[in-house]
Amino acid sequence: EAQVTQNPRYLITVTGKKLTVTCSQNMNHEYMSWYRQDPGLGLRQIYYSMNVEVTDKGDVPEGYKVSRKEKRNFPLILESPSPNQTSLYFCASSFSGDRGRANGYTFGSGTRLTVV
Amino acid sequence: KQEVTQIPAALSVPEGENLVLNCSFTDSAIYNLQWFRQDPGKGLTSLLLIQSSQREQTSGRLNASLDKSSGRSTLYIAASQPGDSATYLCAGPGGGGSNYKLTFGKGTLLTVNP
Repeated sequence: EAQVTQNPRYLITVTGKKLTVTCSQNMNHEYMSWYRQDPGLGLRQIYYSMNVEVTDKGDVPEGYKVSRKEKRNFPLILESPSPNQTSLYFCASSFSGDRGRANGYTFGSGTRLTVV
Repeated sequence: KQEVTQIPAALSVPEGENLVLNCSFTDSAIYNLQWFRQDPGKGLTSLLLIQSSQREQTSGRLNASLDKSSGRSTLYIAASQPGDSATYLCAGPGGGGSNYKLTFGKGTLLTVNP
């Protein structure tokens, strides 16, 4: 089954303790990205990757890191989490369509992160 | 920069009714638009993807249209059922040449009453 898999689904951590949320896709998609969803603010992009070793900042990158060492994996790293990073996080992937534009996104099931 | 607006923010209908959800966008250079469904606290399920070369896409009881000239998309749900209750989100490319980001509307919370 074509899917984007995120782990863990739920995570409670303490301020400052480094954590990684994993994301993997089995569709051989070139593009991957991370979003966070907050009440009243909707979904906002954190980082995206156009291919292996190619990443760039989205709208809200502060406090996050990413890497794309393999095409299928795109982990999100919080080196020193703070309470304002409490949110629902989604990983997404897309194939490269016409003119190399991302086209048609598949989202993971989400990771609910609480930082206390 | 793309801005996406969804109206209404919430909608409550009796079971069996046909309904339309609205989505408007500011960047008419949009090359596709995608509709998603989100159940409370859950992930986003893609419902329909419409390319700019198409005007409509259909899947079962769902029909989505895209009108670039007016900056609007609609999602039509026929014969609504209580299981259709969810938040519906529309999203398009970020605009201004940003081909690697989806800009989302805030969503329409749909409740279908038995």
